[in-house]
Amino acid sequence: NAGVTQTPKFQVLKTGQSMTLQCAQDMNHEYMSWYRQDPGMGLRLIHYSVGAGITDQGEVPNGYNVSRSTTEDFPLRLLSAAPSQTSVYFCASSYSLSTDTQYFGPGTRLTVL
Amino acid sequence: KNEVEQSPQNLTAQEGEFITINCSYSVGISALHWLQQHPGGGIVSLFMLSSGKKKHGRLIATINIQEKHSSLHITASHPRDSAVYICAAPISSGSARQLTFGSGTQLTVLP
Repeated sequence: NAGVTQTPKFQVLKTGQSMTLQCAQDMNHEYMSWYRQDPGMGLRLIHYSVGAGITDQGEVPNGYNVSRSTTEDFPLRLLSAAPSQTSVYFCASSYSLSTDTQYFGPGTRLTVL
Repeated sequence: KNEVEQSPQNLTAQEGEFITINCSYSVGISALHWLQQHPGGGIVSLFMLSSGKKKHGRLIATINIQEKHSSLHITASHPRDSAVYICAAPISSGSARQLTFGSGTQLTVLP
């Protein structure tokens, strides 16, 4: 199993550009989520999904869109990048929040100029 | 007030020392996660526990559901244990189901 994969590892954007961060898992996990981690701060939930076709907002959803057309993939779209979105983004997956280990991707380091 | 509180925020130890990191939470939960993040690195799940104690190598995690408290212990600490340790619990708010994270404990083990 490849586990949770994220691409790209690094990205630099200009203000106003859009892009998609990719996340995929091959463990048939139902629950997938996107977090951002800012320097000196903890992980904050952006969006999550409890299965294909079902997504919901987390703590900091503004400026981001997600979709879950398959169990494996959970892309995160930045609609119009802003410097405040400079952060490290982590994708995670599990069978459930309550009874299963959380698996994290390696992260995407995004800089918005 | 965060529903998941960790202490201490920073911890410096000498190699070989026994280390304890604490996590308390204010609402009932079904399980608690301990995560590890090395500098500039990814996040690794160490434990997921709902009762009692779990051990993996030099790491031990305990949880007391009634007292709403969990601890992570590292025996015979080593410089490679230097990392941020994070506890997290699945807490439901309305229809949202998400992990609520502690603020993390920055552990530095000196040789």
